[in-house]
Order: sequence, then structure tokens, then C-alpha cells
Amino acid sequence: DGGITQSPKYLFRKEGQNVTLSCEQNLNHDAMYWYRQDPGQGLRLIYYSQIVNDFQKGDIAEGYSVSREKKESFPLTVTSAQKNPTAFYLCASSTTGYDGTEAFFGQGTRLTVV
Amino acid sequence: GNSVTQMEGPVTLSEEAFLTINCTYTATGYPSLFWYVQYPGEGLQLLLKATKADDKGSNKGFEATYRKETTSFHLEKGSVQVSDSAVYFCALTPFGQSTSYDKVIFGPGTSLSVIP
Repeated sequence: DGGITQSPKYLFRKEGQNVTLSCEQNLNHDAMYWYRQDPGQGLRLIYYSQIVNDFQKGDIAEGYSVSREKKESFPLTVTSAQKNPTAFYLCASSTTGYDGTEAFFGQGTRLTVV
Repeated sequence: GNSVTQMEGPVTLSEEAFLTINCTYTATGYPSLFWYVQYPGEGLQLLLKATKADDKGSNKGFEATYRKETTSFHLEKGSVQVSDSAVYFCALTPFGQSTSYDKVIFGPGTSLSVIP
């Protein structure tokens, strides 16, 4: 079945550590996105990529980095520069048409700083 | 600018009650409108969508009608079930934009709890 897979589901990070969240899709979508979700809030865009080897900052990119070396993969690194990383992270993918395209979301990774 | 406003939750209903979650938007032209649902501990799933005025999106007993005159896209269901407990997000894509999700604007979400 086609879909989008995030791993791990739960991740614990010590202060000062970098951690990488995985996101893989087999939907043949060009565009991929990372969102952050805090309790009781909507989604905030961290980074997005519309094509391999290219990505753009979203609204809250500071303290995060990404790469897009393959169409299927869009990993997110939460660096030590991110001062408040505890949150639920969602990866998504989509086509880029003009017809009210659906985004497909992964199951999310819950990151906790310990 | 473009924005989405949803009714504040949490909303608690008894099973088989009627559900309305209000969503209003601010945007120029004719944006595409979406409702997404997030079940506990999961990602978002598209519930329904409408791409032009007076369109009605429907899925799993949920409906929403694109009302240009009131800039609204209220979500309704005639008889909710415990399994409908989730967070519901209203969203829009600005008019004339490709539906690239860097452009999609999500509302803050409305939490629904349905009790037996």
C-alpha cells in the first residue's frame, strides 16, 4: 500500500543533542513538508521541498535542518539550537496541482527533551 | 491576509447527537477549502473538500458546504459516534495558487469528544 511513514513514533533527546526524524513516502509525490504541532495549536510549517535537492524554509525553520537527496525521503534534524523542541512532528507529502490536492500525513513523531 | 477561524473547543457530545463545527475564512477570490481529521496519536487525514462556491463535500456521514456569501465551511454530522472523537482542522488554499501545502492555511483545530 502507498503511504507515508515516519519513524520513530517516540523520541527522547537530551539537552544539546541533535536528533533526526525520518520520513519516507512511496506515493511518488514531488512535494514534502514538515510541520510542528503543539498542544491545542494548529500546524506550523518548518520546511518544505517541492523537488529533489531543493527545499525552502517555512514559518519556524530556526533550529531545524532538512535534506532532500531522494524523492522518497525528507529527514528532519532537530539541532541543539532549537530551544524548545518538545512537540509532535508531522511529515506530509502531496502533488502540486491546482485541483484542491490532498496532503497525506505520516503518523507523527513525538519528541521529548529529557 | 488569508486566515481560518474555527470554533473553540473542546466540544463534548453524547452519542447520536447532531454535530456542527463552525469554520469561517478570510481570503480573496475562491480558495479551496478542506476539513482534515486527526485521531488520537495519529497524523491528519483528509475528511472532505470543496473547490468552488456552493460545492458540498461529504464523507463518512460528514458534510460541509462552501458558502461564499458568508465565507464559511461549517462541518456537520447528523448523528455522531464515539469513534468520531478526534481533532478537526479546517484549512484553505488561497485562490489561484497551486495546492502546494506551503500555501495551505490550517485553522487551530477543534477537539471533539463523543461520550456513550
